[in-house]
Amino acid sequence: GENVEQHPSTLSVQEGDSAVIKCTYSDSASNYFPWYKQELGKGPQLIIDIRSNVGEKKDQRIAVTLNKTAKHFSLHITETQPEDSAVYFCAAVKGGVSDYKLSFGAGTTVTVRA
Amino acid sequence: DGGITQSPKYLFRKEGQNVTLSCEQNLNHDAMYWYRQDPGQGLRLIYYSQIVNDFQKGDIAEGYSVSREKKESFPLTVTSAQKNPTAFYLCASSRRQGQNTGELFFGEGSRLTVL
Repeated sequence: GENVEQHPSTLSVQEGDSAVIKCTYSDSASNYFPWYKQELGKGPQLIIDIRSNVGEKKDQRIAVTLNKTAKHFSLHITETQPEDSAVYFCAAVKGGVSDYKLSFGAGTTVTVRA
Repeated sequence: DGGITQSPKYLFRKEGQNVTLSCEQNLNHDAMYWYRQDPGQGLRLIYYSQIVNDFQKGDIAEGYSVSREKKESFPLTVTSAQKNPTAFYLCASSRRQGQNTGELFFGEGSRLTVL
């Protein structure tokens, strides 16, 4: 099955700086890569995703890049703000099969220092 | 508002007791999932269901059971056979295959503590 590794496990950044989280996946057939944000005491929520036919996607201060050859993808948060403090999960899945089982990374706890 | 409701939010259980966690959705989603979250281990799939009256084991199904008698409900029972039941449990739903954008919608979770 798919194995997703995520680094770093914790990340502390100064407000206004950028944060980068990196993930690698094992199954070259994976073609959908979402990122979820989990605030304290809440369930994860999708913040951005990318499909294998696209190399980069941006939504305001967040962006995701995908390198299919190297089998890794990254989340970039620019101009970080206190509300960006949360746990972030990357995931990968092979679409078009009979089920849609996401394989999640272990998560990155991001702390934005004021 | 549409969403997923999990209950209870916090639950304490004595060793040897079964406990059932509730998950209800009003998003009209066909697929529902149960994940377990432990520190440093991400989200691990316990069970999932693509349609009423059908469900499949995920990666860590041992010691758990589910039912899917109604589209909107997918309760999870943590049995006494589960060796390390203390965890945060998340329920999720998604559109069915063919309409699925891939997005999972999560509830706010249930924290189970075994005393």
